[in-house]
Amino acid sequence: EAGVAQSPRYKIIEKRQSVAFWCNPISGHATLYWYQQILGQGPKLLIQFQNNGVVDDSQLPKDRFSAERLKGVDSTLKIQPAKLEDSAVYLCASSLGGTEQPQHFGDGTRLSIL
Amino acid sequence: GENVEQHPSTLSVQEGDSAVIKCTYSDSASNYFPWYKQELGKGPQLIIDIRSNVGEKKDQRIAVTLNKTAKHFSLHITETQPEDSAVYFCAASKASGGSYIPTFGRGTSLIVHP
Repeated sequence: EAGVAQSPRYKIIEKRQSVAFWCNPISGHATLYWYQQILGQGPKLLIQFQNNGVVDDSQLPKDRFSAERLKGVDSTLKIQPAKLEDSAVYLCASSLGGTEQPQHFGDGTRLSIL
Repeated sequence: GENVEQHPSTLSVQEGDSAVIKCTYSDSASNYFPWYKQELGKGPQLIIDIRSNVGEKKDQRIAVTLNKTAKHFSLHITETQPEDSAVYFCAASKASGGSYIPTFGRGTSLIVHP
């Protein structure tokens, strides 16, 4: 089966600019996650969708970050305006849904803020 | 919220030796514990997982143990090979809204010397 697809792989922007990331989960996976991974740290959950509804977004900085999952399939994560501390890898993952289901990760988008 | 501590942060072994990585968690409601391997430039890949009703699980050279009373779980890799070199993450997950919310440790960089 095809894995989780993410684009772009790399993005360089200046602070205060905006950026968007795209994720296409594995077909049939109801749950989609966006993570932020800062260099040398584990992934930190930003937002979790179950179909097109938000399950948890408690760690999403809502003043600058937004995410949507239209029609319960693809998802986009947006940052506006970007700050230097947003430099990180943004990972998307999906799972079948329900409890105790493993997540399948994409290879991420590496964001650098100048 | 959940807090996951992972040790050591770096582990260097000779090929053929065993490697052990330990994690502790704080929330007794966590009931699913996956381990991920992350290679440079790639997303985390699930290597083994354990559920709270099981004390030990083994898959070839990899095993995981869980002590719910002490709230700790460990990854054991035997007969290590250079291709095992990567960053390993543990996670503790609990059910929420029909899905589960994972919290990751900070990762262990495993280096296997030929």
